[in-house]
Amino acid sequence: EIVLTQSPATLSLSPGDRATLSCRASQSVSSYLAWYQQKPGQAPRLLIYDASNRATGIPARFSGSGSGTDFTLTISSLEPEDFAVYYCQQRSNWPLTFGPGTKVDIK
Amino acid sequence: EVQLVESGGGLVQPGGSLRLSCAASGFTFSSYRMNWVRQAPGKGLEWVSYIDVGGTPIHYADSVKGRFTISRDNAKNSLYLQMSSLRAEDTAVYYCVKEANYGFHYFDYWGQGSLVTVSS
Repeated sequence: EIVLTQSPATLSLSPGDRATLSCRASQSVSSYLAWYQQKPGQAPRLLIYDASNRATGIPARFSGSGSGTDFTLTISSLEPEDFAVYYCQQRSNWPLTFGPGTKVDIK
Repeated sequence: EVQLVESGGGLVQPGGSLRLSCAASGFTFSSYRMNWVRQAPGKGLEWVSYIDVGGTPIHYADSVKGRFTISRDNAKNSLYLQMSSLRAEDTAVYYCVKEANYGFHYFDYWGQGSLVTVSS
């Protein structure tokens, strides 16, 4: 099973700040990695697929990078609605796995 | 508009069984691979099971293999999860999830979730 590790667990930032979230895989997943955003009481929303491609309707302030085992989600300038939990997910191997999440909260 | 509506959750005793259903609308259900993903209270996301468009292949997480069965009825635009030998650690919100066009096994639409509580 491919284990995904996310860091930091919590990121305390202010609106307008740049957020940098990390996801590391226990073995290479090539570029087969996605990022999701989840707000309290809501289902997750797909942000990024194949490491760097924005899903339909996702604002340009969200960007993804990386390949192999190290990946980054960057939010260039935090909007109030961006404070949420972010998960990475790999589709390289069965079983599909998610990281434990990074909570971005208001400083 | 894509809609995924889960039903069938509730309180069940350890060792019991439950069947979740997911009614899909707003897209050609028979053309899309589907999954179940769960989330224990206050915890992260855990993929549970996958089913291809025609019913096979099927995959399960090790934590549910041999106890859960995924199925679909394309004529009824419905996805199912039969859960048996339920344990306390199966307590979670279960999401019915549609795979995206972008590539296999990315999830673009999620239901609102159905809470399953396993407790005596």
